Amino acid sequence: DGGITQSPKYLFRKEGQNVTLSCEQNLNHDAMYWYRQDPGQGLRLIYYSQIVNDFQKGDIAEGYSVSREKKESFPLTVTSAQKNPTAFYLCASSTQAGVSSEQYFGPGTRLTVT
Amino acid sequence: GQSLEQPSEVTAVEGAIVQINCTYQTSGFYGLSWYQQHDGGAPTFLSYNGLDGLEETGRFSSFLSRSDSYGYLLLQELQMKDSASYFCAVLGYSTLTFGKGTMLLVSP
Repeated sequence: DGGITQSPKYLFRKEGQNVTLSCEQNLNHDAMYWYRQDPGQGLRLIYYSQIVNDFQKGDIAEGYSVSREKKESFPLTVTSAQKNPTAFYLCASSTQAGVSSEQYFGPGTRLTVT
Repeated sequence: GQSLEQPSEVTAVEGAIVQINCTYQTSGFYGLSWYQQHDGGAPTFLSYNGLDGLEETGRFSSFLSRSDSYGYLLLQELQMKDSASYFCAVLGYSTLTFGKGTMLLVSP
């Protein structure tokens, strides 16, 4: 089955620790994205990558970092510099190398930092 | 930048028709998308309007008026499973910007 996997579903960390969220897709999609969702809010773009070894900052990139070494994988690191890291993180991908209106989302990782 | 406005909550009964409106202000615009998200789940793509007019996909339709910077999602023959959050999203030059979402509550 083709799709996007994110693991784990729930993640707990202590303040001051970096944490990496995984995102893998086997859809052969060129573009991948990371969004953050807070309660009652829409999705806000953190980073996106249109092609391997290239990525761009989204609207709220501060305190986050990414890498795109393989087409299938786009891990997100939440660093200790992120002031409010507790949120629901969603990874997505799309067929086109450019930003697409139709994005396929993974099940998300709910990160809690205390 | 982009800003989108949509109602925070809409309620309806099974079998009814409901319209969720979305107005936007944007510095770059290619089209308007709609996504559905059930509580705690992954958003799923519903529709995209790149041109003015109505797009129909089964029970769901979406409309766009570029001159009015306005669009809507129309859900017909509502079912309980349609209870979810619905997001409009503007496709700009380099990003897809989402609204804050409309929670639709369908009652029996």
